[in-house]
Amino acid sequence: GIQVEQSPPDLILQEGANSTLRCNFSDSVNNLQWFHQNPWGQLINLFYIPSGTKQNGRLSATTVATERYSLLYISSSQTTDSGVYFCAVSSRGYGNKLVFGAGTILRVKS
Amino acid sequence: DGGITQSPKYLFRKEGQNVTLSCEQNLNHDAMYWYRQDPGQGLRLIYYSQIVNDFQKGDIAEGYSVSREKKESFPLTVTSAQKNPTAFYLCASSPPGQGRTGELFFGEGSRLTVL
Repeated sequence: GIQVEQSPPDLILQEGANSTLRCNFSDSVNNLQWFHQNPWGQLINLFYIPSGTKQNGRLSATTVATERYSLLYISSSQTTDSGVYFCAVSSRGYGNKLVFGAGTILRVKS
Repeated sequence: DGGITQSPKYLFRKEGQNVTLSCEQNLNHDAMYWYRQDPGQGLRLIYYSQIVNDFQKGDIAEGYSVSREKKESFPLTVTSAQKNPTAFYLCASSPPGQGRTGELFFGEGSRLTVL
């Protein structure tokens, strides 16, 4: 099946700093989503981005499908950004089922 | 408001008992999914259903069962055959077509602890 690798596994930031999270995948994809899992466990949709660039407030994401990676940018980080960020992808070769990476744990300190 | 509701949020059971987790959605989504999350790990697919009265096994279906008798509902039963059932269980759904292949939306999760 398709492989998804996220980096870094852990990240500690001072409030106000910027960060970049990376997601590499092993095959062509027809879906790529970024999620934020809050401290209570809920997964919040951040972006649906199988290709291209999107922005939502302080967050933006870029997927370069031909090179099989996606980046999530967090600018001016806040303590509420803390949690786990997951990248998930699906491909036709894997029955369009969403496969998750192991996540990046982000801690933002005030 | 439209959304995905999972219940209960927390559940404690004795070893050997079957447990059923509820998942209801009022988003008119066709597809529904169950994922399992263990501490410090990503999500793994247990079962999914694209339409009513049909469902398929995911990557870790052993010890679990599901039904899809209504579009809105996709309950998951954790049976006594599941060797390590303590985990966080997440239900998701995705809308039909619209050019956004398999975009998932999640419920708040159910945390099962087997004593």
